[in-house]
Amino acid sequence: DGGITQSPKYLFRKEGQNVTLSCEQNLNHDAMYWYRQDPGQGLRLIYYSQIVNDFQKGDIAEGYSVSREKKESFPLTVTSAQKNPTAFYLCASTRPNAYTEAFFGQGTRLTVV
Amino acid sequence: AQSVAQPEDQVNVAEGNPLTVKCTYSVSGNPYLFWYVQYPNRGLQFLLKYITGDNLVKGSYGFEAEFNKSQTSFHLKKPSALVSDSALYFCAVRDGNAGNMLTFGGGTRLMVKP
Repeated sequence: DGGITQSPKYLFRKEGQNVTLSCEQNLNHDAMYWYRQDPGQGLRLIYYSQIVNDFQKGDIAEGYSVSREKKESFPLTVTSAQKNPTAFYLCASTRPNAYTEAFFGQGTRLTVV
Repeated sequence: AQSVAQPEDQVNVAEGNPLTVKCTYSVSGNPYLFWYVQYPNRGLQFLLKYITGDNLVKGSYGFEAEFNKSQTSFHLKKPSALVSDSALYFCAVRDGNAGNMLTFGGGTRLMVKP
């Protein structure tokens, strides 16, 4: 089945640690996105990538980094520079055409302990 | 720059009554509009979209949405609400003139009471 997979579902980070969230899709989509969601809140764009080896900062990129070495994969690293990383992180992918909908992963809940 | 507004943080409706969740948008080019639903601790699920043509779009789970170009709105509707419709709803827009970027509204929590 085609889809988008995020792992792990739950992740705990100690203060000062970097952690990497995985996002893989087998939908052959060119564009991929990372969003952050805080409790009861909307989605805030962290980074997006329209093609392999290219990515752009979103609205809240500080303290985060990404790579796009393969079409299928768009991992997000939460660095120690992100002062308040506890949140729900969502990955999405789309075809490049504007009239196509996005597909979302099931999310990763990151907690700082 | 494109934007989406969902003016209501929460909508309360009784089961069996009609529901409306509001959305307005701003784009420079042709708007492609989407509605998504999110259940607790889950990703977003696609409900329906407007591309072109008929202004009334039908989607999953009995939901529909009405596109109004003059009012730049795309309100989500359902004739008879179910308790199981209680969730967080997001409106989104893609603009063909803006690199097809996907922009979301802030979300509206729908509470359907028995």
